Amino acid sequence: SAVISQKPSRDICQRGTSLTIQCQVDSQVTMMFWYRQQPGQSLTLIATANQGSEATYESGFVIDKFPISRPNLTFSTLTVSNMSPEDSSIYLCSGGRHTEAFFGQGTRLTVV
Amino acid sequence: AQSVTQLDSHVSVSEGTPVLLRCNYSSSYSPSLFWYVQHPNKGLQLLLKYTSAATLVKGINGFEAEFKKSETSFHLTKPSAHMSDAAEYFCVVSEVETGGFKTIFGAGTRLFVKA
Repeated sequence: SAVISQKPSRDICQRGTSLTIQCQVDSQVTMMFWYRQQPGQSLTLIATANQGSEATYESGFVIDKFPISRPNLTFSTLTVSNMSPEDSSIYLCSGGRHTEAFFGQGTRLTVV
Repeated sequence: AQSVTQLDSHVSVSEGTPVLLRCNYSSSYSPSLFWYVQHPNKGLQLLLKYTSAATLVKGINGFEAEFKKSETSFHLTKPSAHMSDAAEYFCVVSEVETGGFKTIFGAGTRLFVKA
């Protein structure tokens, strides 16, 4: 398995600001992903973080709102830009190989 | 493209009775299938996984699931529910695609266990 570490674990942010979430994997994974879990909902895939190139975004998510970087195999960042209260969610990083994904504990974001 | 449907948003059982959480999937190729559990305000925990080996998969805490290709189902069962099983359960499908794979979550099933 892989251990996924995210920080911060939680934050309260003012609307209109941006927050960058960091994700570190303890071993090399072939894939890294970012998910959002809105209150009382399931996980929704935001994007696949590609090493050294632009992330691949799912329908409904755009780079301007959720810029993602992945400079190497074991590290990625997700920025939530120009936040509004609707962005209040848990954001989860995932690393995977051989079709199995491993999840961090998530970042609980509250936008006020 | 793959998708996963959890047929029940809520399931309520009495302690000591069997649990059945239903999941159907759609996949273009041979998928990998997983069940995760999430307790309130906790992270995801992997219960079990199917990755093209035995069709009956045993997981942690007495849970098991059977992969039925003909029915495109991967239902989760447990013979006897415990109060600590009360949580949200997610059925998940992963499918290989160009450049890697993608993992999609079902909507979740909330399990209630009555004393």
